[in-house]
Amino acid sequence: EIVLTQSPGTLSLSPGERATLSCRASQSVSSSFLAWYQQKPGQTPRLLIYGASSRATGIPDRFSGSGSGTDFTLSISRLEPEDSAVYYCQQYGSSPRTFGQGTKVEIK
Amino acid sequence: QVQLVQSGAEVKEPGASVKVSCKASGYSFISYYMHWVRQAPGRGLEWMGFINPSGGSTKYAQRFQGRVTVTSDTSTSTVYMEVSSLRSEDTAVYYCARTWSDYYHFDYWGQGTLVTVSS
Repeated sequence: EIVLTQSPGTLSLSPGERATLSCRASQSVSSSFLAWYQQKPGQTPRLLIYGASSRATGIPDRFSGSGSGTDFTLSISRLEPEDSAVYYCQQYGSSPRTFGQGTKVEIK
Repeated sequence: QVQLVQSGAEVKEPGASVKVSCKASGYSFISYYMHWVRQAPGRGLEWMGFINPSGGSTKYAQRFQGRVTVTSDTSTSTVYMEVSSLRSEDTAVYYCARTWSDYYHFDYWGQGTLVTVSS
């Protein structure tokens, strides 16, 4: 089973700043089958990034993904108050599908 | 538009079973796999398994093997997930989520169904 470790646990930033979230896998994620999801309190997860770097439909270009192998990053440039949420990475290249434990982004 | 509408909240006693439904609309039901993901209160996301409605093949996470059963009804475009021998640790929101194929990202999610296991 691929274990995904996200860091930091919580990120507290001001509007307009840049957020950098890390997701490290215990073994290589095949074909960069890695996705990022945003979940706001009481809401369903929303797909942001798939294939490590492709933005999902309707996702602003402030969100970008990068990485390969075992190290992946989600960047959010120009933070807005509505970006306050928990962000999860997920690998879907092997079974079982696994998620990271999440990074909480707080907007000051 | 794509919609995944799940059944309502359930309260069950330990040892009982629960069956949650997920009705799909807005796309070709048999063209997409349907997965189940759960989230315990205040916790992260945990993948449980999936079904390929075209043929009915399933795959489960090892820890749920034998206790979780996913089925589908193509006549109503509905997927069902049954969990047996419920324990308090099964208290969670259960989501259905679709993927285009086996190894693919979740592009649409259901609204979630809260299952509470309590005596």
